[in-house]
Amino acid sequence: QVQLVQSGAEVKKPGSSVKVSCKASGGTFSSYAITWVRQAPGQGLEWMGGIIPIFGVANYAQKFQGRVTITADKSTSTAYMELTSLRTDDTAVFYCARGLYEATVTTLPFDCWGQGTLVTVSS
Amino acid sequence: QSALTQPPSASGSLGQSVTISCTGTSSDVGGYHYVSWYQQHPGKAPKLMIYEVNKRPSGVPDRFSGSKSGDTASLTVSGLQAEDEADYYCNSYAGSNVVFGGGTKLTVL
Repeated sequence: QVQLVQSGAEVKKPGSSVKVSCKASGGTFSSYAITWVRQAPGQGLEWMGGIIPIFGVANYAQKFQGRVTITADKSTSTAYMELTSLRTDDTAVFYCARGLYEATVTTLPFDCWGQGTLVTVSS
Repeated sequence: QSALTQPPSASGSLGQSVTISCTGTSSDVGGYHYVSWYQQHPGKAPKLMIYEVNKRPSGVPDRFSGSKSGDTASLTVSGLQAEDEADYYCNSYAGSNVVFGGGTKLTVL
């Protein structure tokens, strides 16, 4: 049974960057898509983008294009999401999630989720 | 890419059934069989409840079912139980993108 464990909460200044990690254990890592989802306080889920580690190419939501970078380190079974030029409205919980199927372009569905990482952006 | 449209709230009494809709377009819900539903309790990570319109992951009660007609997908919860009270989100593949619905807060009366 795969488990995704994310890095801890962060407090950042506006204009800075944050890098959140998502380590997989108990299952295969490289051939399953890892997706990142943002949830602002009291708001809904928002797809940011994803990567299939074995292919190494990430796909991003247009809204975050240019500000987000998703990478994966196959040697440590860890995915990363870096968000730059942080604004106060980027304050949110960021989740990583793994796709159910191996190497599917749709990356859906998301059957295993990390515990979430709260990123607070405040001056 | 616009979010899928869900009603903000839904409610039903214990033991009754409730259906939550998720409306998109022919570019997402209507164009693909890749609609999923997630349950989220306060302070918790989402949990996959339905995938590929009407499939249930192992461990999800058969009280949860999904369907789709045209550009609208639906989640039905039968025999409502107290623990079903949560937020529910749909999502769909949208051709190199994924789009979520705005979420529906389900209240069990």
